Amino acid sequence: EVQLVESGGVVIQPGGSLRLSCEASGFTFGDYAMHWVRQPPGKGLEWVSLINLRGTNAYYADSIKGRFTVSRDNTKSSLYLQMNSLRPEDTAFYYCARDVNKYGGHSYYFDSWGQGTLVTVSS
Amino acid sequence: EIVLTQSPDILSLSPGERATLSCRASQNIRTYLAWYQQKPGQSPRLLITDASNRATGIPARISGVGSGTDFALTISSLEPEDFAVYYCQHRTSRPSVIFGQGTRLEIK
Repeated sequence: EVQLVESGGVVIQPGGSLRLSCEASGFTFGDYAMHWVRQPPGKGLEWVSLINLRGTNAYYADSIKGRFTVSRDNTKSSLYLQMNSLRPEDTAFYYCARDVNKYGGHSYYFDSWGQGTLVTVSS
Repeated sequence: EIVLTQSPDILSLSPGERATLSCRASQNIRTYLAWYQQKPGQSPRLLITDASNRATGIPARISGVGSGTDFALTISSLEPEDFAVYYCQHRTSRPSVIFGQGTRLEIK
């Protein structure tokens, strides 16, 4: 069974930094591109980032470009999101999600999601 | 910049009825569209890819149609577990991803 488990969400002050983690199991992690998607409480979904199979290429939403960095460690089946210069508008549940396509050729469709971790940016 | 607009915002129906949810793109997106279902307190679930392909384990009563700018998700006969929020999603050429604002399907 595919499982994605996010962690690292906390309450943090504006301007702070935080690293989220997503631990994967039940599939060969290195065979799939991975995404981060966020959702402010009670609101809609917003894509954040994609990282390719080997972690050599990443893409970001304009709203977080230059502040967030995605990375992965395939030996640990783990995905990360380094978040710097946090703003109140970054408050959201952060989900890691698996791309549908195996072995690359990113579909940008998400077939497995974690349960989410809540980041609250507030003074 | 492509925008996805879903309608209606809220759809009130009874179990057993047919539901049709709409997603309109501001530009031609061919069939590059997915649909997700999200229940309260849960993460989203993939229903449909490429406008009309059911994802693994999705029942046949759920179907997607459309191409270009107009898309629809249809649930032929609503079951109690179908009442949820539904999102459409498109991958842009940048690359990036956009979602519609969601349609809440509620029990009448």
